[in-house]
Amino acid sequence: SQQGEEDPQALSIQEGENATMNCSYKTSINNLQWYRQNSGRGLVHLILIRSNEREKHSGRLRVTLDTSKKSSSLLITASRAADTASYFCATASNGNQFYFGTGTSLTVIP
Amino acid sequence: NAGVTQTPKFRVLKTGQSMTLLCAQDMNHEYMYWYRQDPGMGLRLIHYSVGEGTTAKGEVPDGYNVSRLKKQNFLLGLESAAPSQTSVYFCASSQTGGAGNQPQHFGDGTRLSIL
Repeated sequence: SQQGEEDPQALSIQEGENATMNCSYKTSINNLQWYRQNSGRGLVHLILIRSNEREKHSGRLRVTLDTSKKSSSLLITASRAADTASYFCATASNGNQFYFGTGTSLTVIP
Repeated sequence: NAGVTQTPKFRVLKTGQSMTLLCAQDMNHEYMYWYRQDPGMGLRLIHYSVGEGTTAKGEVPDGYNVSRLKKQNFLLGLESAAPSQTSVYFCASSQTGGAGNQPQHFGDGTRLSIL
């Protein structure tokens, strides 16, 4: 399986703190994407980073990519209760498919 | 602009029954995907389509069939439902495939229980 893995599986923090989650994958990639899933809903795309990029920002989100270690991290700064959700990474290589990780469940305590 | 719409949202079947899940997208996307999501296993690809009239197998295709007769619709069929197919099913669409650096857009899922 080419499925990636997120670490940690679950994370609980206080509102205002930063949350960091990591994604490791197995094969070379064209891009890596992060998605958020609120309880009972579908996945929502957050940010895409290409294989030739090392860091990308979007609002309170910062994504890094280290292709030599086959890993990525998602940092959410100044977390809010509304950030409570599951977060998934997805990788794409030279094909049509996307490969999703197992997810990190983030709980932000008000 | 509805995005990706899945019907039904919930369904309970008995073992051996058949059903079809419908996915419709209004973004004129070429690529459409069916995933299943099980606890602790993330999303696994069942089948996908790279355009109208085409389908291809994903990671876990056994027990499922698909059709893409119209560009905007992608149907997932269970011919003889089994308890192991109890899951949440998600449809997604994208303008390009994985290598094309475009995001996927997801529906809100169909929660299917097979007794």
